[in-house]
Amino acid sequence: ETGVTQSPTHLIKTRGQQVTLRCSSQSGHNTVSWYQQALGQGPQFIFQYYREEENGRGNFPPRFSGLQFPNYSSELNVNALELDDSALYLCASSFPGLAGGDTQYFGPGTRLTVL
Amino acid sequence: AQSVTQLDSQVPVFEEAPVELRCNYSSSVSVYLFWYVQYPNQGLQLLLKYLSGSTLVKGINGFEAEFNKSQTSFHLRKPSVHISDTAEYFCAVSANTGNQFYFGTGTSLTVIP
Repeated sequence: ETGVTQSPTHLIKTRGQQVTLRCSSQSGHNTVSWYQQALGQGPQFIFQYYREEENGRGNFPPRFSGLQFPNYSSELNVNALELDDSALYLCASSFPGLAGGDTQYFGPGTRLTVL
Repeated sequence: AQSVTQLDSQVPVFEEAPVELRCNYSSSVSVYLFWYVQYPNQGLQLLLKYLSGSTLVKGINGFEAEFNKSQTSFHLRKPSVHISDTAEYFCAVSANTGNQFYFGTGTSLTVIP
């Protein structure tokens, strides 16, 4: 059983650019959540996808968008990057989804630096 | 909405001493509670969780936590820490009707030899 994987590990972009981060969920998991973890802070919920549909969103602007594919892998897209977007982006998968209390299994994260 | 407060940003403790990491939450609905650990340059790993039933929850690596509804707390304890326990610890809450996790700002545990 493979765990949650994320790519790339590190990424450097400049302000105004667009970025796509990728996540492969743990085998059998149909729900993926994305979090932003700024330096010295706890993870902040961005959004969650369940069976290819957005299923909850945190307090993030529309330039943060996502997709979930039929194999339950997921992408996080951020447009018009700002300096404050520099953070560790974490992906977490879970099953069966929808209900609270399901353990979320986290990937190692993608470190995004915006210059 | 829910929120989590971790009262101590840094906790130094000597090896083999006991430790308690404090977590308080706020919510208008029933919640589920979690503790995660994050080692340097890694993702988060679940230590333990409280869903219902016994208020004392035992997790991995000898950690345990007690849910106290009246004090809205979920403090994490270990009777004897090891060097390998040095890490960042996060408390999290989710509503029992929802799917969103709210994390605290974390407590950095440093075990001193």
